[in-house]
Amino acid sequence: GQQVMQIPQYQHVQEGEDFTTYCNSSTTLSNIQWYKQRPGGHPVFLIQLVKSGEVKKQKRLTFQFGEAKKNSSLHITATQTTDVGTYFCAGLRQAGTALIFGKGTTLSVSS
Amino acid sequence: DTAVSQTPKYLVTQMGNDKSIKCEQNLGHDTMYWYKQDSKKFLKIMFSYNNKELIINETVPNRFSPKSPDKAHLNLHINSLELGDSAVYFCASSQGVNQPQHFGDGTRLSIL
Repeated sequence: GQQVMQIPQYQHVQEGEDFTTYCNSSTTLSNIQWYKQRPGGHPVFLIQLVKSGEVKKQKRLTFQFGEAKKNSSLHITATQTTDVGTYFCAGLRQAGTALIFGKGTTLSVSS
Repeated sequence: DTAVSQTPKYLVTQMGNDKSIKCEQNLGHDTMYWYKQDSKKFLKIMFSYNNKELIINETVPNRFSPKSPDKAHLNLHINSLELGDSAVYFCASSQGVNQPQHFGDGTRLSIL
């Protein structure tokens, strides 16, 4: 069935280093959303990408949607300890009825 | 004001019992969801309702029965609880399936 693959599953960085998580779908997506879940918390919506090749920025976070609308990435520049958590991508397949979540990338940051 | 609220926050019970989790949203959204998150943090959709009608029913044991009395509420009843049901259950809502989802704080279910 439809899957959204996300890598890596875990990533540990030193504070100040950059971080990237990647998301790939086996089929074309209508849109892709990114969520962040802090330890012990609930997923919180970050951003939605709709257009082919779209790039959006939120401060140190850069989100990209691939030209074929099958892949996406989240890049964090100069990580901080407040970036700790699990980042999920979630794709809506075309004519789909639900978001399909990737398995998440858990980021840990040491100072 | 809490947008999506779930009760209870913690639920500890014995195998074989029946329990319910309640969810309410005050965002005026049409669509509500139940997700199960296991210990590896995988978020798996269980059910989705749009305007009180079931639109998604993933491969979930029929011991799990959702009920939506109105579009602001989506409750989850679980019969004959099993050890494998231990997880965090999240309720969420959105204004349409392609819109951002707002999650509740989760219900941490532990089966003894």
